[in-house]
Amino acid sequence: QKEVEQDPGPLSVPEGAIVSLNCTYSNSAFQYFMWYRQYSRKGPELLMYTYSSGNKEDGRFTAQVDKSSKYISLFIRDSQPSDSATYLCAMREDTNAGKSTFGDGTTLTVKP
Amino acid sequence: GAVVSQHPSRVICKSGTSVKIECRSLDFQATTMFWYRQFPKQSLMLMATSNEGSKATYEQGVEKDKFLINHASLTLSTLTVTSAHPEDSSFYICSARARNNEQFFGPGTRLTVL
Repeated sequence: QKEVEQDPGPLSVPEGAIVSLNCTYSNSAFQYFMWYRQYSRKGPELLMYTYSSGNKEDGRFTAQVDKSSKYISLFIRDSQPSDSATYLCAMREDTNAGKSTFGDGTTLTVKP
Repeated sequence: GAVVSQHPSRVICKSGTSVKIECRSLDFQATTMFWYRQFPKQSLMLMATSNEGSKATYEQGVEKDKFLINHASLTLSTLTVTSAHPEDSSFYICSARARNNEQFFGPGTRLTVL
């Protein structure tokens, strides 16, 4: 079993829809949680970065972390065609030297 | 967000040659840098972790003599693929961690070995 499981997708939604992307994990020591967006043939771009449980909002993006359920989500409101990309969740233990563990990614297509 | 650059963005080389890829954090000092490899439609595969001034820590199955990593300063790390072969063709991405623990990625380098 992988340490981080991400809903595989692919996901296709109409423009304006609310998108929910999810990851579960098994390592209770994870403290830092990230969401990255990766366009084709480009490096991942950090979207959201949260520490421990709770919600964080940035524009149309909301990240939720539920440590009790070992479950994280990224919500995208009013989705746009430019949001079409692969989204990667990542998480890390609370050490400076710790490496991040990534999900396999969910490919999202937003149709105009 | 912080900027990480990679050079070159694309390289095509003959089998047996060595290729060097540079990774720079442009506007912050990176406490740690990471090198990843990514095959088409697959997730990131961590190759190695490096801290400035010390030897890189390689992941299991990654040959350290083939993938040489040098972390010369807090803003520069290099990956050299030695004696490259067609199976080394891939998308190589570096990442740098800032002091606040946020991790930023470079744009990637596409290596094609003929």
